[in-house]
Amino acid sequence: NAGVTQTPKFQVLKTGQSMTLQCAQDMNHEYMSWYRQDPGMGLRLIHYSVGAGITDQGEVPNGYNVSRSTTEDFPLRLLSAAPSQTSVYFCASSWGTSYNEQFFGPGTRLTVL
Amino acid sequence: GQQVMQIPQYQHVQEGEDFTTYCNSSTTLSNIQWYKQRPGGHPVFLIQLVKSGEVKKQKRLTFQFGEAKKNSSLHITATQTTDVGTYFCVGGGSNYKLTFGKGTLLTVNP
Repeated sequence: NAGVTQTPKFQVLKTGQSMTLQCAQDMNHEYMSWYRQDPGMGLRLIHYSVGAGITDQGEVPNGYNVSRSTTEDFPLRLLSAAPSQTSVYFCASSWGTSYNEQFFGPGTRLTVL
Repeated sequence: GQQVMQIPQYQHVQEGEDFTTYCNSSTTLSNIQWYKQRPGGHPVFLIQLVKSGEVKKQKRLTFQFGEAKKNSSLHITATQTTDVGTYFCVGGGSNYKLTFGKGTLLTVNP
């Protein structure tokens, strides 16, 4: 079991560029989510999904899109990168609902210049 | 909306000293989870508390959930350098909404 994998580990973008952060899990978890972590702010929920074909917004969704075409994959798209999106991004998954143990990926450190 | 306040923000201890971090919610929680994040790492699940007044132990770590299910604490006895990291709580509210505490960064002086 690889658990939750994220690619890339590091990324530098210029303002206005778009990109997709990849997240995959091999645990057959229904619930998947994306968080950003900024100094002094803790983890903030961007988007989440309770199953394939179902997504919803979290606390800070603006500037990000997600889709969930399969149980395994939950990519996060930055539409037009801004310096305010410089952050560390974590993908997480859990069995059933968000109430259960969250398994986090290793993170993607994104810098937007 | 639901808020979870966690204190202290930072704690520096000498190895062997005890450490406690506290979480307080503005609303009654369905459950609370605790995670540890090592510097440069990702959050790792420690435990979940569900029942009012629940106390759980993991070796030197003791977790408590308040009687009103609005507060929780994590206590580490006789800290070790391997305990270094950020400990944060996650409150489970209504409609499966999670609210994260901002975490307590623990540093341990050997």
